[in-house]
Amino acid sequence: GNSVTQMEGPVTLSEEAFLTINCTYTATGYPSLFWYVQYPGEGLQLLLKATKADDKGSNKGFEATYRKETTSFHLEKGSVQVSDSAVYFCALSGYTGGFKTIFGAGTRLFVKA
Amino acid sequence: DAGVIQSPRHEVTEMGQEVTLRCKPISGHDYLFWYRQTMMRGLELLIYFNNNVPIDDSGMPEDRFSAKMPNASFSTLKIQPSEPRDSAVYFCASSLGTGGRIAFFGQGTRLTVV
Repeated sequence: GNSVTQMEGPVTLSEEAFLTINCTYTATGYPSLFWYVQYPGEGLQLLLKATKADDKGSNKGFEATYRKETTSFHLEKGSVQVSDSAVYFCALSGYTGGFKTIFGAGTRLFVKA
Repeated sequence: DAGVIQSPRHEVTEMGQEVTLRCKPISGHDYLFWYRQTMMRGLELLIYFNNNVPIDDSGMPEDRFSAKMPNASFSTLKIQPSEPRDSAVYFCASSLGTGGRIAFFGQGTRLTVV
C-alpha cells in the first residue's frame, strides 16, 4: 500500500539557518504530495502541495519539489524564523478505491533565537 | 465557511463508558477522514468516507470503534466501551476529491479515558 516516510525529529536550528526535512514515499499511480504544519493545540493545515512530477510547491518561504525518480518530496527553507517552530507532516493523496490521504510520522522543528 | 467543526474539544471519561465524537465537514466536500494522533503512533487514518459511504475502515483498531456518516454534513466516531489506551487526539478532516484533495482539519477532540 501507499506509505510516507520522513526524517525523525526533533530538529533544532538557530534563527536564519537552512532547513531540510526529508520525505520519501511509496505509492501506486500518480499521487499528489503535500506538506502540512501543526502548531500547538491546533489541527494540521496545508503548507504547500505538488500534483505531478517536477512540480515545485512553495509557500511562506518553504519549498518542495516532487521527484518521481527518487520518490521524494523534501521540504526546504533558506532562513528559518522562531515562528516556524512547529511539527511538519509530509503526506500523499492517492487513489485506492477513493482518494485516501495518509501522513508521515511528523518532524518537530525548534528554532532558537 | 466556518471550516471543519468538531465537538467536544475535550472529553474525559471513565473506562468502560461510551464516547461519541462529532464532526461537521466543510459544505460541499465529498471526503471525510477520521484520524487519531498519539505520541507513540503519530497520525493514523482510522476510516474515511466518500459521499457518506465508508470506503476504507482498515485503520479502525478494533470492534469497539465505529463511525457513521448519516448525511453530508455530519459524522460520528463512537468508542464503546472506552479504554485508557484510547486516550489521544482525534481529528476529523474533509476534502474535495476533484479539488486538489487538500485535507482541511478540525481543531481535534482530546480524549482522556481514566
